[in-house]
Amino acid sequence: QSVLTQPPSVSGAPGQRVTISCTGSSSNIGAGYDVHWYQQLPGTAPKLLIYGNSNRPSGVPDRFSGSKSGTSASLAISGLQAEDEADYYCQSYDSSLSGLYVFGTGTKVTVL
Amino acid sequence: EVQLVETGGGLIQPGGSLRLSCAASGFTVSSNYMSWVRQAPGKGLEWVSVIYSGGSTYYADSVKGRFTISRDNSKNTLYLQMNSLRAEDTAVYYCARELGFGRNYYMDVWGKGTTVTVSS
Repeated sequence: QSVLTQPPSVSGAPGQRVTISCTGSSSNIGAGYDVHWYQQLPGTAPKLLIYGNSNRPSGVPDRFSGSKSGTSASLAISGLQAEDEADYYCQSYDSSLSGLYVFGTGTKVTVL
Repeated sequence: EVQLVETGGGLIQPGGSLRLSCAASGFTVSSNYMSWVRQAPGKGLEWVSVIYSGGSTYYADSVKGRFTISRDNSKNTLYLQMNSLRAEDTAVYYCARELGFGRNYYMDVWGKGTTVTVSS
């Protein structure tokens, strides 16, 4: 089960800015481990969106940005576009006994 | 082009076994950390297992003792042997390449996934 908590859904009109939170604990984000973000378009495999808290892989628009503070991280999407409608997941390392990598619960972004 | 292609999924009865394969191209499996991640129908992502470039392996508690990750360097292929399958193992299984350093690894290349259905 996920140990990183995300809001189930967020929505916004085209052109607006939306943010997705990812709340962890002292065994993962709070321990200083990096947070990474993935975008999953309907019916497709996840795609790396942000790595190392705030870095964008080549080809990812600069509308997507990430940040981390304390036991939480955030993904912001500015200038929301219809093609951004997807599920988004955060991921980090966890030093507890149940496993190495943990994913967030996932957030569905809807473009109104 | 860097690519991962999973095969081996299917319908299997509870208690049965299945071996998933993940063929890589454009990079060397044995030089990278490689993970399996699954997604149950309508659910989120769940990390399953990882094999480090040095050969160490780790598993999620939910599959420990039942699943085994391995690789064949000559075939540049990653495997997941799944035994004692349960209904809750029903999911799309993705393999992924990892990049990073220390404990800050992320999955930069993903396959399209293969579907495993455990049902009688």
